[in-house]
Amino acid sequence: GNSVTQMEGPVTLSEEAFLTINCTYTATGYPSLFWYVQYPGEGLQLLLKATKADDKGSNKGFEATYRKETTSFHLEKGSVQVSDSAVYFCALLLSGNTPLVFGKGTRLSVIA
Amino acid sequence: DTEVTQTPKHLVMGMTNKKSLKCEQHMGHRAMYWYKQKAKKPPELMFVYSYEKLSINESVPSRFSPECPNSSLLNLHLHALQPEDSALYLCASSQNVGGVGETQYFGPGTRLLVL
Repeated sequence: GNSVTQMEGPVTLSEEAFLTINCTYTATGYPSLFWYVQYPGEGLQLLLKATKADDKGSNKGFEATYRKETTSFHLEKGSVQVSDSAVYFCALLLSGNTPLVFGKGTRLSVIA
Repeated sequence: DTEVTQTPKHLVMGMTNKKSLKCEQHMGHRAMYWYKQKAKKPPELMFVYSYEKLSINESVPSRFSPECPNSSLLNLHLHALQPEDSALYLCASSQNVGGVGETQYFGPGTRLLVL
């Protein structure tokens, strides 16, 4: 089946530290990949996405590269801020009438 | 404008009540979704509407009844809920269902408490 595996959280970092949140996937087909972010008390917001191998999605200083050979889509940011504290979800989508498949989410806390 | 709105923001209801959650989008999207999210868990898909027709029902109990009156509106009617149905209910929309890179845009959610 189709699934997404994210690193277990919570992740606690100091402000300006480097962030990596690992995401790997299993898919019967060629998925599109997404990172969504959920701030406390809010809905999900699209952070970035990629639709084919070697595509790099980027937004707000976050980046992720679609790696078909390692079936991965790791999220990175060079210097985190307190305002980046949130839960991050990796997700995949296959074409056709199939649902968005989420990972379990990784909670990030950034301390000043 | 990539906004999906949901009302109410919070809802407390008893197990014998009937209530409705509402969702609206004005992006011209033809697909709309209901998700349920429990604390510290990812969203779980409940229903998908495509061109105002129900296309996916993920075996949701009949006490949840979706309705899509038009392409901009999506309702979720609630009746005889259980305390375990307490959760954040998220609505989302996308241009279509299942296109390559089809992005779903989420609303802020309705936080439901069933007493």
